[in-house]
Amino acid sequence: EPEVTQTPSHQVTQMGQEVILRCVPISNHLYFYWYRQILGQKVEFLVSFYNNEISEKSEIFDDQFSVERPDGSNFTLKIRSTKLEDSAMYFCASRSRSRESGANVLTFGAGSRLTVL
Amino acid sequence: KNQVEQSPQSLIILEGKNCTLQCNYTVSPFSNLRWYKQDTGRGPVSLTIMTFSENTKSNGRYTATLDADTKQSSLHITASQLSDSASYICVVSALTGGGNKLTFGTGTQLKVEL
Repeated sequence: EPEVTQTPSHQVTQMGQEVILRCVPISNHLYFYWYRQILGQKVEFLVSFYNNEISEKSEIFDDQFSVERPDGSNFTLKIRSTKLEDSAMYFCASRSRSRESGANVLTFGAGSRLTVL
Repeated sequence: KNQVEQSPQSLIILEGKNCTLQCNYTVSPFSNLRWYKQDTGRGPVSLTIMTFSENTKSNGRYTATLDADTKQSSLHITASQLSDSASYICVVSALTGGGNKLTFGTGTQLKVEL
């Protein structure tokens, strides 16, 4: 079964450092998403991406965050200067273009755990 | 503000028993409701997705119900197994100009014991 692949699985970084989280969405999917989940809290939407541009973003997704699809397969989330409160599990997700309800389901990756010290 | 509330927050049951998880939502305009299973340290995995016109949908031992009038959904797990231990998340989708926007519940943490 097709999977969304995320790397690294866990990254530890110092406050103020730049972090890049990588995702390889399912190959025929066209919509890409980043979500985060702080430990013990619910999953929160960060950003959606379609046709090489951001289609929607939440208030969490401030100027410290950026996304990119550099080579047609990878989808990256960059945090320019990490803060302690950025410590969370970051999930990448993708879906196909079809509007049928079944095909509208997001497929999530296993997540990248970011720990900011 | 769109919200999804789930109950109970956590639940412990014995293997083989049934259980029902609840989800109440205030999301508008409603598009669909999904139940996801999230194992510890993993990404959510879709169990069911239901649109406005669907009342019941089953996926193996999982049966989801939807009452769009009262804005409630339930997930019933039959003959629970140890592997059912996970967080079950109710996610409601609202129609927006740019597509669907998802609102996540906080999840019900289910533990199945021997």
